[in-house]
Amino acid sequence: DIQMTQSPSSVSASVGDRVTITCRANQGISNWLAWYQQKPGKAPNLLIYAASSLQSGVPSRFSGGGSGTDFTLTISSLQPEDFATYYCQEANSSFTFGPGTKVDIK
Amino acid sequence: EVQLVQSGAEVKKPGESLKISCKGSGYTFTSYYIGWVRQMPGKGLEWMGIIYPSDSDTRYSPSFRGQVTISADKSTSTAFLQWNSLKASDTAMYYCARGHMVRGVCRWFGPWGQGTQVTVSS
Repeated sequence: DIQMTQSPSSVSASVGDRVTITCRANQGISNWLAWYQQKPGKAPNLLIYAASSLQSGVPSRFSGGGSGTDFTLTISSLQPEDFATYYCQEANSSFTFGPGTKVDIK
Repeated sequence: EVQLVQSGAEVKKPGESLKISCKGSGYTFTSYYIGWVRQMPGKGLEWMGIIYPSDSDTRYSPSFRGQVTISADKSTSTAFLQWNSLKASDTAMYYCARGHMVRGVCRWFGPWGQGTQVTVSS
């Protein structure tokens, strides 16, 4: 089974900060990776698919990168509505999610 | 607009059965997978399984195989998640989501339903 890890588990940041979250798979998954944002009490929302493709309607301050085992989600300039939990999900052999990274206000 | 609308919150006792639903609209229901995801209180997302409504091809996460049953009704564009005997540990929010396919293989999910809260308590 593919296992996914994320770091950090939480990050405190200010509006305007650049934030980078890392996701790692324990075996290579090519670019079969997605990122989701979940706000409290709401359903997850697809942000990035195929590691670096921006889902329609998602602001361009979000970007994804990486391939193989190491991936990143970057928010170039954090906005108030971006405070949320972010999950990666491998899409190579199943749909295992990472444990999540909570982005909160410093 | 593509929408997935889930059935309402449920409160059940241990040992009872339950079937929750997820109705798709705004797209051809039989052309996309539907996935189910569990989120226990204060925890992360866990993939449970997927179904292709066109032929009811179903795939379960090893963690949930034998614990739940996923089905779909093409005539009503509705997917279902079913338990035969609930446990307190089934207390969670359950989400359905439409699967994005790449060359016929389901890869990621969006949009998502609003979630169905299931509470199992004696």
